Amino acid sequence: IAGITQAPTSQILAAGRRMTLRCTQDMRHNAMYWYRQDLGLGLRLIHYSNTAGTTGKGEVPDGYSVSRANTDDFPLTLASAVPSQTSVYFCASSDGPPSGANVLTFGAGSRLTVL
Amino acid sequence: GQNIDQPTEMTATEGAIVQINCTYQTSGFNGLFWYQQHAGEAPTFLSYNVLDGLEEKGRFSSFLSRSKGYSYLLLKELQMKDSASYLCAVMDSNYQLIWGAGTKLIIKP
Repeated sequence: IAGITQAPTSQILAAGRRMTLRCTQDMRHNAMYWYRQDLGLGLRLIHYSNTAGTTGKGEVPDGYSVSRANTDDFPLTLASAVPSQTSVYFCASSDGPPSGANVLTFGAGSRLTVL
Repeated sequence: GQNIDQPTEMTATEGAIVQINCTYQTSGFNGLFWYQQHAGEAPTFLSYNVLDGLEEKGRFSSFLSRSKGYSYLLLKELQMKDSASYLCAVMDSNYQLIWGAGTKLIIKP
């Protein structure tokens, strides 16, 4: 089934530890995104990539890094996790670069708890 | 700053009609999206409006007034499976999506 796979589904992590959330898509979409979703807030963009080999910062990039070595994979790394990074993380992709009719396909999410 | 406002929660009865409003203030406008998100699941695309007026898609319709910075999502013949959060998002002049916090819709029998 075509779509986006995220791993892990959920994780409890000690503060200060390094963590990588994995995201793989099989739709050959050019653009990929990482969002975090917190109760009472809208989805907030962390980082994005318009095409393989390029990345950009979103609204809340501090404490996170990404890479886009190929079209399919877009991992998100927390170098040293802090409790404020407790959230649900969604990876998403879209067929082309951002445009008016840019429909996003989302992964199922990764629930991260930092203690 | 940029802002998207939508009600936090709404309750409706199975078989009825419900209208979920969204008002926005953004730097430019390149379209408005509605997504549905069931609890614990990923958001899924419902509709896209870039011109004023009503777009109908089955039981769901979405309306846009750019001059008023206003949109609504209309759900007809409500079913229990429509219980979900409905997310409004606007694409600004930099083609960045600005998201509302979502409206949790509760359907009662």
